[in-house]
Amino acid sequence: EAGVAQSPRYKIIEKRQSVAFWCNPISGHATLYWYQQILGQGPKLLIQFQNNGVVDDSQLPKDRFSAERLKGVDSTLKIQPAKLEDSAVYLCASSFRDRVENIQYFGAGTRLSVL
Amino acid sequence: DAKTTQPPSMDCAEGRAANLPCNHSTISGNEYVYWYRQIHSQGPQYIIHGLKNNETNEMASLIITEDRKSSTLILPHATLRDTAVYYCIAEAKAAGNKLTFGGGTRVLVKP
Repeated sequence: EAGVAQSPRYKIIEKRQSVAFWCNPISGHATLYWYQQILGQGPKLLIQFQNNGVVDDSQLPKDRFSAERLKGVDSTLKIQPAKLEDSAVYLCASSFRDRVENIQYFGAGTRLSVL
Repeated sequence: DAKTTQPPSMDCAEGRAANLPCNHSTISGNEYVYWYRQIHSQGPQYIIHGLKNNETNEMASLIITEDRKSSTLILPHATLRDTAVYYCIAEAKAAGNKLTFGGGTRVLVKP
């Protein structure tokens, strides 16, 4: 079974530039998550999708971050404009919808460096 | 959210059992406990989860106390590849089964 795919693996940009990350979840997983992981900390949820609808985006800095999942499968996370403090690993995860438990499967992440 | 408390770090000898404690005293009766681990430069990897009963799979065992206020993850025979950060998470049913990661326990397996 293929896992969660993310690209690119690494990205280096200058502050005020824009950047986009892509995620392809595990086939059949209706729920998709984007997390931000700053060095030395645990992942922090940015946004959760159920199919193509947003369930929770309370932690997403909406003045600069946006995310979409137009067809309920792939998703993109965008930062515009980037700040130095956005340097982090951006993780995508997916899970089944109709389960009592919430087992999330993670991709390898995209490491963003903002200079 | 039900908060969890873990020691920040621990060492373990290769080939010995590693016992990782977690406190989750505010967990509700229907909220699961999940364990993930994160090896350097990789995404978190699901290990095991449980509600009330002890659980075992090919990776680890999970022992949950009867009052559900704490649990222990057991890696029966630690190898060098088990060196990672281990996260204990109590889900938040009221927040749509949200999983909130804390700082985890950094486990170093030594030869």
